[in-house]
Amino acid sequence: NAGVTQTPKFRILKIGQSMTLQCTQDMNHNYMYWYRQDPGMGLKLIYYSVGAGITDKGEVPNGYNVSRSTTEDFPLRLELAAPSQTSVYFCASSYEGSSNQPQHFGDGTRLSIL
Amino acid sequence: AQKITQTQPGMFVQEKEAVTLDCTYDTSDPSYGLFWYKQPSSGEMIFLIYQGSYDQQNATEGRYSLNFQKARKSANLVISASQLGDSAMYFCAMRPMDTGRRALTFGSGTRLQVQP
Repeated sequence: NAGVTQTPKFRILKIGQSMTLQCTQDMNHNYMYWYRQDPGMGLKLIYYSVGAGITDKGEVPNGYNVSRSTTEDFPLRLELAAPSQTSVYFCASSYEGSSNQPQHFGDGTRLSIL
Repeated sequence: AQKITQTQPGMFVQEKEAVTLDCTYDTSDPSYGLFWYKQPSSGEMIFLIYQGSYDQQNATEGRYSLNFQKARKSANLVISASQLGDSAMYFCAMRPMDTGRRALTFGSGTRLQVQP
């Protein structure tokens, strides 16, 4: 039972570089989310998706892009890395058939932009 | 818009004692859910307990219980019989239930340290 899998776990980027954070879930959840967690803070929503082909912006979407071509995968793209994007990134998923369903989180990707 | 406030940046508790972590919230949504997550030093987010806004009884899950006071807009987490493994960050979160956007809004967290 893998749950939500994020890769890579750690990454260092140079300013201006691009990368894709991968997220996949094997629970057949329709909802998926990307959050970022800055040091000493709670999580903030970047993007979310309610199903394949449907994505929408969250609270802090600038500098990021997402796509959802399958139910399982929800990659997050950084096009031009900036120091302000240094953070821990969490992918989560949930099944929204019932209102009390918790979100299941991946283990996070720790990203440093230098 | 929703807002979660956790006013205790850090808490200490003796092993085997109970501790209450405070959470207050603000929302205009008529129906919502409240969640608590634990984040140990290893970094993963672990779901602990859920309370629905229309639930009549306070939620309980093992040593965790949620003291829900709707009129005061508070959803405090109570951990009974603290263990050393309870040392972690604890986040209160909420989301609306009647819209398509089910993402969580998080508080800034409380760092709990359990002392032997």
